[in-house]
Amino acid sequence: GQNIDQPTEMTATEGAIVQINCTYQTSGFNGLFWYQQHAGEAPTFLSYNVLDGLEEKGRFSSFLSRSKGYSYLLLKELQMKDSASYLCAVDGAGSYQLTFGKGTKLSVIP
Amino acid sequence: EAQVTQNPRYLITVTGKKLTVTCSQNMNHEYMSWYRQDPGLGLRQIYYSMNVEVTDKGDVPEGYKVSRKEKRNFPLILESPSPNQTSLYFCASSLKVTETYEQYFGPGTRLTVT
Repeated sequence: GQNIDQPTEMTATEGAIVQINCTYQTSGFNGLFWYQQHAGEAPTFLSYNVLDGLEEKGRFSSFLSRSKGYSYLLLKELQMKDSASYLCAVDGAGSYQLTFGKGTKLSVIP
Repeated sequence: EAQVTQNPRYLITVTGKKLTVTCSQNMNHEYMSWYRQDPGLGLRQIYYSMNVEVTDKGDVPEGYKVSRKEKRNFPLILESPSPNQTSLYFCASSLKVTETYEQYFGPGTRLTVT
């Protein structure tokens, strides 16, 4: 089975840095996705990690530790438009399915 | 423009009245999938398709049917909708099945069953 945990809600200040954690216990693992979803809109792709370590993409970075079943999304220089839900999703080996966590709703305040 | 489209975007219907939500992608993607999203439960997969005429159940398939007669289209059919199928539905597609590619999501269909 698949079990994916993320905090339900987080609040951070404009200009600050925030880290959104995701832990997973899955029967198979290829890699881990992060998606961003603004309220009422479709999820959009942010990152995909297969190997351990940090991958940086502009203000957003994503980290993976396969041995610990742990990932985080790091958002720097927060902007008001970063207020959204952030979904982590596990790509299970051989399953042809993505299993999503329940998402973390991030509120950025002035 | 590369995109996934869904129709209708909003639908209010009554219990038992059959409905179809269409999904179409113009990117020649092999893999297509349907999800429902409910508060506190996140995105859950209903059905997916690895190619034309190849479909399989996701985590919550009860009450739904799908078909994949053409590569670009993947309609979701509710033969006899019930109130517990009130939800926000997303169609998604990705390039390949054998390697992991990001999924592109449609804009969503908000369904209310009374």
